[in-house]
Amino acid sequence: DQQVKQNSPSLSVQEGRISILNCDYTNSMFDYFLWYKKYPAEGPTFLISISSIKDKNEDGRFTVFLNKSAKHLSLHIVPSQPGDSAVYFCAARRGSNYKLTFGKGTLLTVNP
Amino acid sequence: GAGVSQSPSNKVTEKGKDVELRCDPISGHTALYWYRQSLGQGLEFLIYFQGNSAPDKSGLPSDRFSAERTGGSVSTLTIQRTQQEDSAVYLCASSFLEGEQFFGPGTRLTVL
Repeated sequence: DQQVKQNSPSLSVQEGRISILNCDYTNSMFDYFLWYKKYPAEGPTFLISISSIKDKNEDGRFTVFLNKSAKHLSLHIVPSQPGDSAVYFCAARRGSNYKLTFGKGTLLTVNP
Repeated sequence: GAGVSQSPSNKVTEKGKDVELRCDPISGHTALYWYRQSLGQGLEFLIYFQGNSAPDKSGLPSDRFSAERTGGSVSTLTIQRTQQEDSAVYLCASSFLEGEQFFGPGTRLTVL
């Protein structure tokens, strides 16, 4: 039973355009969501997060949107750069519980 | 370095052998986590250590898996009698209390 789903295994965009990565979750108890970025042969690195009391969080080129009623979140990267090419994981947790539940990841390729 | 380190980076073993994977967390971090990522899957929580508290072993897939954390620092994940389905990337992360988790580069385990 996959509680965090990233239905697009891959996404390709042109440099300078917007990248939108999507994530759906099924567990309504999740109240904190994170995005991690992973380059090959490296561990995931934290990118941005959002609490369920918000519907948007922005950090530079990265913005995460949360739609609680739809149990959906998305990561927007604008403008996309070739260095953004990586696997992006969506993760969720409940309250202060340390366990993160991850999606399968989406491979983003930004073409020059 | 100041990050989480893991060794070995790659491990190839024969079915039925035991393996030990090592994690050196960031100095001062109180919590340590083990995850694994099987091919085409998201990160799967295995075990969590926090200070001197009893570890949360709820994610360990079978009794062939065990982990210990010595002196509140270095951790070893042991897999006994390895099976082909144990092939995965094993990732370690550490955090201060239940803050942001910093991941190591992982150990790629291949069971032949």
